[in-house]
Amino acid sequence: DSGVTQTPKHLITATGQRVTLRCSPRSGDLSVYWYQQSLDQGLQFLIQYYNGEERAKGNILERFSAQQFPDLHSELNLSSLELGDSALYFCASSGGQALTEAFFGQGTRLTVV
Amino acid sequence: QKEVEQDPGPLSVPEGAIVSLNCTYSNSAFQYFMWYRQYSRKGPELLMYTYSSGNKEDGRFTAQVDKSSKYISLFIRDSQPSDSATYLCAMSDSGGSNYKLTFGKGTLLTVNP
Repeated sequence: DSGVTQTPKHLITATGQRVTLRCSPRSGDLSVYWYQQSLDQGLQFLIQYYNGEERAKGNILERFSAQQFPDLHSELNLSSLELGDSALYFCASSGGQALTEAFFGQGTRLTVV
Repeated sequence: QKEVEQDPGPLSVPEGAIVSLNCTYSNSAFQYFMWYRQYSRKGPELLMYTYSSGNKEDGRFTAQVDKSSKYISLFIRDSQPSDSATYLCAMSDSGGSNYKLTFGKGTLLTVNP
């Protein structure tokens, strides 16, 4: 168990809908990262938050947004969902300024029908 | 050209074999190199972490980084059926709070008893 908790584990929704994925980082970790994993693209970095502030942005669509709350948990919001958004969404966390490693949660499997 | 290239396999070996997994990369700014193991339907789990060039050994696993050739390897000695998983290489050009990982697509390894 990595200590990173993601909910829900599975999500099935229709095109055009909006969903929220939740991530609780390891105790004490200040950084949260969101990744999308699909068969054709592999693991793609979406966005990083550090202690509540956005720090880095990757290949995140404008329909997607995220935030990190004062208690350090993070939410990834996906809106106007398309079939192509079906993927595994992973959250990872790491500690403080001197990062040595990132620990991943079990992921949320999103299926858009 | 993708930033990180990894042979997707699949790779099938008998138990006890030595396994060699490799990645090449194009971004000369990468200086942090990692190998993750991902079991089916699970999140990636950090196996090895190396900063800059050189070798690192941990039990049956050895990671090598050759920055001059932009080439990294993971060797698994005395492979076991429990090593059957997808192995992902990952790299970053910065540490600390601006850490962002770029992943290879992963190599699927099966170790047959």
